[in-house]
Amino acid sequence: SQQGEEDPQALSIQEGENATMNCSYKTSINNLQWYRQNSGRGLVHLILIRSNEREKHSGRLRVTLDTSKKSSSLLITASRAADTASYFCATENDFGNEKLTFGTGTRLTIIP
Amino acid sequence: DAMVIQNPRYQVTQFGKPVTLSCSQTLNHNVMYWYQQKSSQAPKLLFHYYDKDFNNEADTPDNFQSRRPNTSFCFLDIRSPGLGDAAMYLCATSTLGGEKLFFGSGTQLSVL
Repeated sequence: SQQGEEDPQALSIQEGENATMNCSYKTSINNLQWYRQNSGRGLVHLILIRSNEREKHSGRLRVTLDTSKKSSSLLITASRAADTASYFCATENDFGNEKLTFGTGTRLTIIP
Repeated sequence: DAMVIQNPRYQVTQFGKPVTLSCSQTLNHNVMYWYQQKSSQAPKLLFHYYDKDFNNEADTPDNFQSRRPNTSFCFLDIRSPGLGDAAMYLCATSTLGGEKLFFGSGTQLSVL
């Protein structure tokens, strides 16, 4: 299975601190994406990094990708209470079949 | 605003009673997906449509069927729901050859 594993499963930090989540996957990919899910809601796309990219930024988000280690990290800087959510990585494999496979997720709690 | 809309938000059905979940989109995207997400787990792809071409995942039970009568609408039919089918069902869309998924808010299905 291509399903990614995320680490840690749960993370609690104080507001204002930085949060780092990691994702590992198993096969070759075209791209890796990060999504956010508030409790009981749908997923929202945050950022996409392609297999030939190593780092990408979007606002307070920083994503890295290491294809040799088949891993990615998501850094959220200066966390806010509103960042409390589950974060999922998802990979598009290089088979060209338009499918995303999601990781197991990290539950992030920001303590005000 | 263009969006993906799922109805109903919450659905309760009885064991063995057929149920249909609906999804509509105003994004005019070619690809539509149905994911199943059980509590604290990763979203799991059930099937997807590439225009009218239906693509079933190998491990999707026969109990789950889908219809896409036109570009805007897609339905998930569960012919004989079991207790194990209680989950959040997420509809998503993407452009032809696109990578980013746009999700609806989901339908939370309970089976009594």
